[in-house]
Amino acid sequence: DQQVKQNSPSLSVQEGRISILNCDYTNSMFDYFLWYKKYPAEGPTFLISISSIKDKNEDGRFTVFLNKSAKHLSLHIVPSQPGDSAVYFCAASARNSGYALNFGKGTSLLVTP
Amino acid sequence: GAVVSQHPSWVICKSGTSVKIECRSLDFQATTMFWYRQFPKQSLMLMATSNEGSKATYEQGVEKDKFLINHASLTLSTLTVTSAHPEDSSFYICSTLGGGGGETQYFGPGTRLLVL
Repeated sequence: DQQVKQNSPSLSVQEGRISILNCDYTNSMFDYFLWYKKYPAEGPTFLISISSIKDKNEDGRFTVFLNKSAKHLSLHIVPSQPGDSAVYFCAASARNSGYALNFGKGTSLLVTP
Repeated sequence: GAVVSQHPSWVICKSGTSVKIECRSLDFQATTMFWYRQFPKQSLMLMATSNEGSKATYEQGVEKDKFLINHASLTLSTLTVTSAHPEDSSFYICSTLGGGGGETQYFGPGTRLLVL
């Protein structure tokens, strides 16, 4: 049962433009959300997170937005750079589950020059 | 964030043998570590939660007698795949919760297992 869903398997964006990656979840107990960047045969690299008590968190070019009522979050990358090309995983966790992560299936982002 | 290492990074073994994968937290003491695996073109799936000094907690569908987890110290957790079969071929990744009571998990580089 996939509790975290990334419905776009791939996204192509031109360099300098904004990349928007979307994620939906079904479990209302989730209270912490994270985005990871991953290359093949490597471990995920933490990018940015947001607690359920907030609706926005920003770190440099990366901003995560959380809409709890819609059970939706998104990652904005602006401006996009070719080095951002990778697979991005959305993950969610709950304090009462020891913060074990539930991952989406990932979105492959390609930033073209 | 926390720095996590894994060893080996790549292992090929014959069917029926056992393989041990080590996960080390290099810069802080981790009471909790997690083990995930990722099959090709799929998401990362949690296998078990490893707790220092106590038994691991396994997710539904993960055989605890096949995937032995030992978390004997605050910096080391091991996953042993016993009597490995080709269907166990996967990418195994460990993680730790960040120090200071944080909720963020930091991942190791992963171990690619190929069972012939």
